[in-house]
Amino acid sequence: GAVVSQHPSRVICKSGTSVKIECRSLDFQATTMFWYRQFPKQSLMLMATSNEGSKATYEQGVEKDKFLINHASLTLSTLTVTSAHPEDSSFYICSAAIRPSIGRAFFGQGTRLTVV
Amino acid sequence: DQQVKQNSPSLSVQEGRISILNCDYTNSMFDYFLWYKKYPAEGPTFLISISSIKDKNEDGRFTVFLNKSAKHLSLHIVPSQPGDSAVYFCAASAKSGNQFYFGTGTSLTVIP
Repeated sequence: GAVVSQHPSRVICKSGTSVKIECRSLDFQATTMFWYRQFPKQSLMLMATSNEGSKATYEQGVEKDKFLINHASLTLSTLTVTSAHPEDSSFYICSAAIRPSIGRAFFGQGTRLTVV
Repeated sequence: DQQVKQNSPSLSVQEGRISILNCDYTNSMFDYFLWYKKYPAEGPTFLISISSIKDKNEDGRFTVFLNKSAKHLSLHIVPSQPGDSAVYFCAASAKSGNQFYFGTGTSLTVIP
């Protein structure tokens, strides 16, 4: 099946620094990528949807200046957590999908971010 | 507003028996549903899906049932195996795109 690679799998950073997470579709072209965040014992929460070459659409309550998303190519999307704070510590997951087929999206392995 | 709900946070089942995981949704525009399995510190992996034109879809040990009038779907795993122990999320999508709304997950433990 299709593979989505997310890197890094774990990152620890200091408060105030920025962290970039990459999401790559390895064997298909993903016109749409999604970024999710999961808090412990909670559901995956959609943060934003990005289409290649256009600005990301953020869900309500997600700060677009804090969570910068770039979808520069059909195989790569990045999420940059800027000026990270301890409350940003979470598990971040990307998924990639091919339009126009709906349904099955392929998920990355996730990134555990810890801000100290 | 949680549009997809999994009201049972955990479930324990004996190996070899049937596991039934439930999911309810509120948005009548949802027409495609999926179940994902997730191990700790890993991304979700796709299990099985169903579109609203069907009421049942089967894939090996996994069967998903959809009751549109009740806005309810369920995942049956039979026979359950210890390797099935994981958190299971249901997710729903509307025709408009690939955006999914997830339930809060049910942690399944299959006891050997």
